[in-house]
Amino acid sequence: GEDVEQSLFLSVREGDSSVINCTYTDSSSTYLYWYKQEPGAGLQLLTYIFSNMDMKQDQRLTVLLNKKDKHLSLRIADTQTGDSAIYFCALGGADGLTFGKGTHLIIQP
Amino acid sequence: DVKVTQSSRYLVKRTGEKVFLECVQDMDHENMFWYRQDPGLGLRLIYFSYDVKMKEKGDIPEGYSVSREKKERFSLILESASTNQTSMYLCASSLPWAGTGTYNEQFFGPGTRLTVL
Repeated sequence: GEDVEQSLFLSVREGDSSVINCTYTDSSSTYLYWYKQEPGAGLQLLTYIFSNMDMKQDQRLTVLLNKKDKHLSLRIADTQTGDSAIYFCALGGADGLTFGKGTHLIIQP
Repeated sequence: DVKVTQSSRYLVKRTGEKVFLECVQDMDHENMFWYRQDPGLGLRLIYFSYDVKMKEKGDIPEGYSVSREKKERFSLILESASTNQTSMYLCASSLPWAGTGTYNEQFFGPGTRLTVL
């Protein structure tokens, strides 16, 4: 089945850019998603990208997709304390979405 | 505003108790899911349902059962709670799955943090 890999932790200084990476094995998914989970809450869809796009920008968020390398990334510009959360990438699989294990973004003052 | 609600945010139960976790969605979604979330393990699918009275096992169904008597409600049942079922439980719903070529956002509830003593 689909395998989706993410690093478990990323630590950045406030004001710097954060880049959260995701690699996957099955490239048949037309949509690729990024979810955000704030402390003590459920997951919320942050953004998504259509597979025929290389890049999608939405204010401070930039999603990059490299289909050849099966690599998806989420860049957060000017990282703020409110960005502290767990970020999950997700792809369409055989029966629904397959989620990565999530990357915990830690903001240093 | 779309909503998935879960009956409790925090729950403390004793080993051997029968535990019911309830989830309700107001989006008329066919699909509903139960996940558990543990540090370092991410989300693991316990059960899902694609229609009323229908259920499918996910990756870790052992020790759990589910019930879907109405479209909007999906219940997770721990027949005899054990300490290794202490976890965060997340419910989600979505439109029917129509293959990898379709947009298929899942909407999540706020989660229930269950502690089994």
